[in-house]
Amino acid sequence: AQSVSQHNHHVILSEAASLELGCNYSYGGTVNLFWYVQYPGQHLQLLLKYFSGDPLVKGIKGFEAEFIKSKFSFNLRKPSVQWSDTAEYFCAVIPDGDSSYKLIFGSGTRLLVRP
Amino acid sequence: DTGVSQDPRHKITKRGQNVTFRCDPISEHNRLYWYRQTLGQGPEFLTYFQNEAQLEKSRLLSDRFSAERPKGSFSTLEIQRTEQGDSAMYLCASARGQGSAEQYFGPGTRLTVT
Repeated sequence: AQSVSQHNHHVILSEAASLELGCNYSYGGTVNLFWYVQYPGQHLQLLLKYFSGDPLVKGIKGFEAEFIKSKFSFNLRKPSVQWSDTAEYFCAVIPDGDSSYKLIFGSGTRLLVRP
Repeated sequence: DTGVSQDPRHKITKRGQNVTFRCDPISEHNRLYWYRQTLGQGPEFLTYFQNEAQLEKSRLLSDRFSAERPKGSFSTLEIQRTEQGDSAMYLCASARGQGSAEQYFGPGTRLTVT
């Protein structure tokens, strides 16, 4: 079965530090890739997505992610985090050909940014 | 868009009772999803509607679970004879059209079974 792995469950950073959250998926075919974020007390919302084309995608709030097909990875990055980036981050995939387009999520990474 | 809404936001029930949750998707979103999220895990797919048709159900969805989407608008998720293992956050999401269009999530209903 397809799965998504996020190896960092908790990350603590100081403001202005750089961020990289890992995401690996297990699916041999084409996938659509997503990062969702859940700020404290808020809904899940889309940060960025990759369907095809340039493997470096830019999202909202200065986040970007790079798709590396050979590594089955889609890591999330931000050069300089802010206290307001404290949230839980979820990587998700939709395997190409899944007619329901359901999201398969990783277990999430809780990010705490210290002021 | 007014966003996806879910009701209630919290539900505490005793084991063995039935509960029903409601999801109102963004208007004109023809696709609607239910997911379940337990502590420390990401959301897991439960079921999917395209308009009023329920097109896919996860193996997680036991016979005690049923979902409907009459007239292709709001949806309900019912759990019969609740068990402690049903305690979780139940999330609804909706999307427009076909393909991997963005799914918009509601705030969720947190169920606690005592």
